[in-house]
Amino acid sequence: EPEVTQTPSHQVTQMGQEVILRCVPISNHLYFYWYRQILGQKVEFLVSFYNNEISEKSEIFDDQFSVERPDGSNFTLKIRSTKLEDSAMYFCASTGPNQPQHFGDGTRLSIL
Amino acid sequence: DAKTTQPPSMDCAEGRAANLPCNHSTISGNEYVYWYRQIHSQGPQYIIHGLKNNETNEMASLIITEDRKSSTLILPHATLRDTAVYYCIVRVASGGGADGLTFGKGTHLIIQP
Repeated sequence: EPEVTQTPSHQVTQMGQEVILRCVPISNHLYFYWYRQILGQKVEFLVSFYNNEISEKSEIFDDQFSVERPDGSNFTLKIRSTKLEDSAMYFCASTGPNQPQHFGDGTRLSIL
Repeated sequence: DAKTTQPPSMDCAEGRAANLPCNHSTISGNEYVYWYRQIHSQGPQYIIHGLKNNETNEMASLIITEDRKSSTLILPHATLRDTAVYYCIVRVASGGGADGLTFGKGTHLIIQP
């Protein structure tokens, strides 16, 4: 069964550094999403992406965040200048028409 | 905020049916009920969804009340691997769409051997 894959599984970064989280969505999906989950808290929606542009974003997704689909397969989340509070699990999801969202297993981001 | 209410935790004996309730009393006519689960900080896993009819797939059954204000997810023969946090989510679209899923705190289902 096709699945969403995310790399790396764990990323450790110094505060203030830029970080890029990578996702390969399911190949025929058209909508892409990023979510985050701070340890012990709820899964929170960050942003959705369709047709090479942001469709919707939450108030968490501020100017420090950006998303990109640099080629036909990858979908990335960039955090420009990381803060301690960016430490979380980041989940990528994708979906096609009349299909539910399918999630990857996440990247654990640790900011030191 | 999530538009659903779920008990924070439930226990179920292995091999028995697990029945997880969800209240969504403010659901709109065009909103679907989705169920996902999350096993030990893995990514959320889709289980099932429905609009107003009961649904069944290889993982579970979904029973939606006639007034659509509540639903029950049924795992017919629970195993230890079904221990997870189960989320009930309401959402407008059946699939695709710009809006993200709004997760609540879910129900932590613990399957007892």
